[in-house]
Amino acid sequence: NAGVTQTPKFQVLKTGQSMTLQCAQDMNHNSMYWYRQDPGMGLRLIYYSASEGTTDKGEVPNGYNVSRLNKREFSLRLESAAPSQTSVYFCASSYTGVATDTIYFGEGSWLTVV
Amino acid sequence: DQQVKQNSPSLSVQEGRISILNCDYTNSMFDYFLWYKKYPAEGPTFLISISSIKDKNEDGRFTVFLNKSAKHLSLHIVPSQPGDSAVYFCAAIYSGAGSYQLTFGKGTKLSVIP
Repeated sequence: NAGVTQTPKFQVLKTGQSMTLQCAQDMNHNSMYWYRQDPGMGLRLIYYSASEGTTDKGEVPNGYNVSRLNKREFSLRLESAAPSQTSVYFCASSYTGVATDTIYFGEGSWLTVV
Repeated sequence: DQQVKQNSPSLSVQEGRISILNCDYTNSMFDYFLWYKKYPAEGPTFLISISSIKDKNEDGRFTVFLNKSAKHLSLHIVPSQPGDSAVYFCAAIYSGAGSYQLTFGKGTKLSVIP
């Protein structure tokens, strides 16, 4: 079972460059999420998509955009990368957007902005 | 303002002994709590949860205890095994909220020494 798949796994960007992190899930989940994890920090929500066709800001949305391409895919775009965006990014999904629903995470994308 | 606190960044335990990971929360609305486990270079995986209507939930070697009056929960692992070495994230949410409102602690790195 693939679960949640995200690409690329590693990326180095120069300040000001743009890039898109891709995410796909094969569990027929309705809700999808992008989190970031910084050293010594918990997971912080960047954007989420409660269902196909909707996206909303999370706790730390500045500098990012998202696209829910279809039910399976949810991409995260950095338009002009900054060193502060150096982080590990996790895509995740859940069957519903209900609070008690289990959230399943991808393996992470390590992004370094120099 | 950190609503979910894991005050111990790391914990070392001998194989076969009990591991106790602690978590405190400040938001009185939280009534559903989860623990996620994360290995290096992998995404977090759901481990165990507990609703505020219970004070204990057990799943094999893992037990979560909830003390609502103290706003404290703990994860007990008995007996600890080297494969349990990972970062453990505590998370909390109000069950009437959307899943996107899940709040994570900063994590505790558990090392189980053979």
